[in-house]
Amino acid sequence: RKEVEQDPGPFNVPEGATVAFNCTYSNSASQSFFWYRQDCRKEPKLLMSVYSSGNEDGRFTAQLNRASQYISLLIRDSKLSDSATYLCVVNTNTGNQFYFGTGTSLTVIP
Amino acid sequence: DADVTQTPRNRITKTGKRIMLECSQTKGHDRMYWYRQDPGLGLRLIYYSFDVKDINKGEISDGYSVSRQAQAKFSLSLESAIPNQTALYFCATSPSGRAHRDTQYFGPGTRLTVL
Repeated sequence: RKEVEQDPGPFNVPEGATVAFNCTYSNSASQSFFWYRQDCRKEPKLLMSVYSSGNEDGRFTAQLNRASQYISLLIRDSKLSDSATYLCVVNTNTGNQFYFGTGTSLTVIP
Repeated sequence: DADVTQTPRNRITKTGKRIMLECSQTKGHDRMYWYRQDPGLGLRLIYYSFDVKDINKGEISDGYSVSRQAQAKFSLSLESAIPNQTALYFCATSPSGRAHRDTQYFGPGTRLTVL
């Protein structure tokens, strides 16, 4: 079983739409959770960390559900520039290894 | 200037050749990582190092070796390259201390093709 699983998509949405991605993780001891953004052929870059209480950064909202072991990312008012692959990343407390999902592809259409 | 640099950025080589990929960072981070990325498989950890004297195998270390020459440098070697090592390779760093909350900072990647 994979440590982190994501729906690969692709998600094709019109500008202005709201889109949500989910990610599940298998290790209940996981302690840190992140969403990274990766543009085509570029390096992943941190979008936001995910905290237990949930957190918001502008149009982006991340939620963590420890009981069900899933993380979500909500993007409101989608922009063309949001088109990218979104990676869910989980870190366990034991080895400090980061486990990456395969990514969810988003294309925002004019 | 980029905080995490990788050289070369692109490399085409032949089966059986020895290849070294280099990573340097100016972030002052203790922890460094090597990943490979393949379509449909996401990023997979090859090796990681928490300081100069510490080297750890990751998920897919077979066929690879690493050297942590200094805090700022972490090299990945393919002793005898094979075609299924064709991939995009990323180096990453993270600070130590607040261990599990720290994020990673990636280099721009090295695209390696083994013919």
